[in-house]
Amino acid sequence: DAGVTQSPTHLIKTRGQQVTLRCSPISGHKSVSWYQQVLGQGPQFIFQYYEKEERGRGNFPDRFSARQFPNYSSELNVNALLLGDSALYLCASSLNLQNPITNTGELFFGEGSRLTVL
Amino acid sequence: AQSVSQHNHHVILSEAASLELGCNYSYGGTVNLFWYVQYPGQHLQLLLKYFSGDPLVKGIKGFEAEFIKSKFSFNLRKPSVQWSDTAEYFCAVNARAAGNKLTFGGGTRVLVKP
Repeated sequence: DAGVTQSPTHLIKTRGQQVTLRCSPISGHKSVSWYQQVLGQGPQFIFQYYEKEERGRGNFPDRFSARQFPNYSSELNVNALLLGDSALYLCASSLNLQNPITNTGELFFGEGSRLTVL
Repeated sequence: AQSVSQHNHHVILSEAASLELGCNYSYGGTVNLFWYVQYPGQHLQLLLKYFSGDPLVKGIKGFEAEFIKSKFSFNLRKPSVQWSDTAEYFCAVNARAAGNKLTFGGGTRVLVKP
C-alpha cells in the first residue's frame, strides 16, 4: 500500500516568492495535517484538515494557508517567503477526527518537502 | 496548551548498552502518548504509543516506554541497543480534546557506536 506521498521533495526559492506543497494521504484517510520541522527541532503543527474543512491551526502567520480537495489530497501554500521558512514540511494523514473515544490520534507521515529559502 | 520536553539532546552509546530517553509533558487532561523515530534520510515512523491500560507499552524493535501519570512522563527504554538504532527520537503528545494534533518534543539524537 502506498504511504503518504509529498511533492516536490526538494525546492529552492528566494525571499518574497510563494510556494505550494502537495500531499496525497494514505488511501482511506480523510484527515491531513501539516507540520514544519526546522533543522534541529521537532515538528510543529501548522494545520489540520478533515473532510475539506480546517479543523485546527497552529501558531503560524497568515502567510501560511492550506486546503483539502474532495479526494482528500492537500496543498500547503506559503506566501512572501522568509529565510526562516526554510524547513522540512511534513504531511501526515490519519483516519478521521470524529469520535475521540476511539480516535487513536496516530499520524502517518510522508517523507517531507525540504524548502530552502535564499 | 500542551508542551513536551526531552531532556537529552544528544546521546552517544556503544552497542549493547542500555538506552533511556526522558520525556515529560505538561497538560492536565487526557492524553495519548507517542514515540516516533526518524532514521537518517527517512520519514518519521511510529515506535510505540500509549492510549490507556497497562502503562508499560512495548513497541517495535525491542523498545518500550512507561507512562507515569503522576510524573507526567513517558520515558523510552531499550535494554541493548544496536548500531541500527542510530536515529533521532521524538516524544509526542496528543491531547484527546485537540483532535489529531501532535505536540512534539525537540528530539534526541542517538548515536550508537559499533
